Amino acid sequence: ETGVTQSPTHLIKTRGQQVTLRCSSQSGHNTVSWYQQALGQGPQFIFQYYREEENGRGNFPPRFSGLQFPNYSSELNVNALELDDSALYLCASSLGTSGNEQYFGPGTRLTVT
Amino acid sequence: QQQVKQSPQSLIVQKGGISIINCAYENTAFDYFPWYQQFPGKGPALLIAIRPDVSEKKEGRFTISFNKSAKQFSLHIMDSQPGDSATYFCAASKGSNTGKLIFGQGTTLQVKP
Repeated sequence: ETGVTQSPTHLIKTRGQQVTLRCSSQSGHNTVSWYQQALGQGPQFIFQYYREEENGRGNFPPRFSGLQFPNYSSELNVNALELDDSALYLCASSLGTSGNEQYFGPGTRLTVT
Repeated sequence: QQQVKQSPQSLIVQKGGISIINCAYENTAFDYFPWYQQFPGKGPALLIAIRPDVSEKKEGRFTISFNKSAKQFSLHIMDSQPGDSATYFCAASKGSNTGKLIFGQGTTLQVKP
């Protein structure tokens, strides 16, 4: 059984650019949640995908968007990058939305210059 | 609006001692309360979780105490070890959704040999 994997590990982008981050959920998991973790802070919920549909969103602007694919892997897209978008982006997967624990990937470190 | 407040921000404990981290929440609809451990450069890992129908849950050296009326919960690490040195996050969610977590700000624990 493989765990949650994310790519790339690190990424450097320029303000105004667009970025796509990828997440492969743990085998058998159909739910993916994305979080943003600024340095020295707790993770902040961005949105959740369940069976390819968005299932809730945190307080993030529309330039943060996502997708979940039939194999339950997921993408996080961020348009018009801002300096404050520099953070560790974490994805976590679970089987269903309740009753089963979620497991985090190692994250993608995004730096916006 | 900060819905989960965590304290202390940092904690130093001697090896073999008890580490105690506290969290308070505001939203009475929260019904799932996990604790995560995060090492530098890694994603958070689930330690232990509790639901409000019990007041205490123990797993090995880790215990969650839950006080529903006070809207508080705490993590106790018994016989703390240097390997426990990490950042700990409490979190909460509602609707039993294990993926839409609201995290506290984190506590950096250092266990001295």
